[in-house]
Amino acid sequence: GAVVSQHPSWVICKSGTSVKIECRSLDFQATTMFWYRQFPKQSLMLMATSNEGSKATYEQGVEKDKFLINHASLTLSTLTVTSAHPEDSSFYICSALSRGQGRYNEQFFGPGTRLTVL
Amino acid sequence: AQKVTQAQTEISVVEKEDVTLDCVYETRDTTYYLFWYKQPPSGELVFLIRRNSFDEQNEISGRYSWNFQKSTSSFNFTITASQVVDSAVYFCALSEANNQGGKLIFGQGTELSVKP
Repeated sequence: GAVVSQHPSWVICKSGTSVKIECRSLDFQATTMFWYRQFPKQSLMLMATSNEGSKATYEQGVEKDKFLINHASLTLSTLTVTSAHPEDSSFYICSALSRGQGRYNEQFFGPGTRLTVL
Repeated sequence: AQKVTQAQTEISVVEKEDVTLDCVYETRDTTYYLFWYKQPPSGELVFLIRRNSFDEQNEISGRYSWNFQKSTSSFNFTITASQVVDSAVYFCALSEANNQGGKLIFGQGTELSVKP
């Protein structure tokens, strides 16, 4: 199957700083990528849909100025957590959509990035 | 509205026992996809199965089997002869066809603990 990478795999930062997380599709082009957030012992919640060359679509309740998404190329989407606070500490997972020949477009997940804000 | 419910938060079994993880979904679409993912302690999601709404055939893959019943909007997952390596959180998820394989709505997850 297709491979999606995330960098960094974990990051610790001080409150008030900004953190950038990269999501790359390594062997396919992805016009659409998704960003999910997972708190401990909870499910994955979709934060936003990232579309190459256009603005991201945010889910209700997700602050677009807080979580900046840039999908500048067909293989890279970035999520920047601006002015991070301890409540932003979470596991962030991206996925990339591979356009298949059939009707269904497969979604491949990255390994996740664990963010801890002190 | 779409919704996925996994009523079992935690399940604990002893190795070699069979275990069934329940999943109930809600959708207004007639065409949709259902999934199961495994999330081990490392955090990376492992894809297990995808089913489309037109295919109600049960599926078996080694010790894993899935029972899809549209009449009860359920897509249950059974592990036969469980092993310690099966310990993980398992998520059921739903995607509506108009998303063309896009947005996934996840259930709350079931944490399975298999003890030796």
